[in-house]
Amino acid sequence: ETGVTQTPRHLVMGMTNKKSLKCEQHLGHNAMYWYKQSAKKPLELMFVYSLEERVENNSVPSRFSPECPNSSHLFLHLHTLQPEDSALYLCASSQDTGRDTEAFFGQGTRLTVV
Amino acid sequence: LAKTTQPISMDSYEGQEVNITCSHNNIATNDYITWYQQFPSQGPRFIIQGYKTKVTNEVASLFIPADRKSSTLSLPRVSLSDTAVYYCLVGDGLADSNYQLIWGAGTKLIIKP
Repeated sequence: ETGVTQTPRHLVMGMTNKKSLKCEQHLGHNAMYWYKQSAKKPLELMFVYSLEERVENNSVPSRFSPECPNSSHLFLHLHTLQPEDSALYLCASSQDTGRDTEAFFGQGTRLTVV
Repeated sequence: LAKTTQPISMDSYEGQEVNITCSHNNIATNDYITWYQQFPSQGPRFIIQGYKTKVTNEVASLFIPADRKSSTLSLPRVSLSDTAVYYCLVGDGLADSNYQLIWGAGTKLIIKP
């Protein structure tokens, strides 16, 4: 138990569906992140939030839309995804956005786009 | 971009000491070296972090030579449950961003009975 909880754990969606991934952290951290992990590829940083403000968007397609309503919750809204978007989506949090600050990861959502 | 190089995979046996070496030739002066562990279908988990010389915690040791161009993660007396992917991370020394850790492919460690 890392203190970061992601739901759902598994999601299958069609290319025309709209779905959302949820992340909640119970650690009192100020920074939250979305990562994508595709098979046989390194983790890719997608979005970074610091104190509920988005501070990084790594050229992620607009079909991925993040939302951070407060410092404990992070969402990733998905719409009109492609099969190549199938991956493990990981949420993480850390005390601050310093790159040497330990990140705590959730267990991820395994997304399959059909 | 800072880049790390690790062996793609390693095998060992229960009870052995395992050393995984990572090369990071372009590490910035103020960067730390961080190692994470990832089990299948789970998020990575922090193992250890260091800046220079040697760091030890209850899980592992980290050896960093004076030039800091490499580091070695040492896992004492491994067990089957240590089978995982191990990532060596350093910051991007050229970026202004504070959070651009560069994740490589990691080392897949398989422990055999």
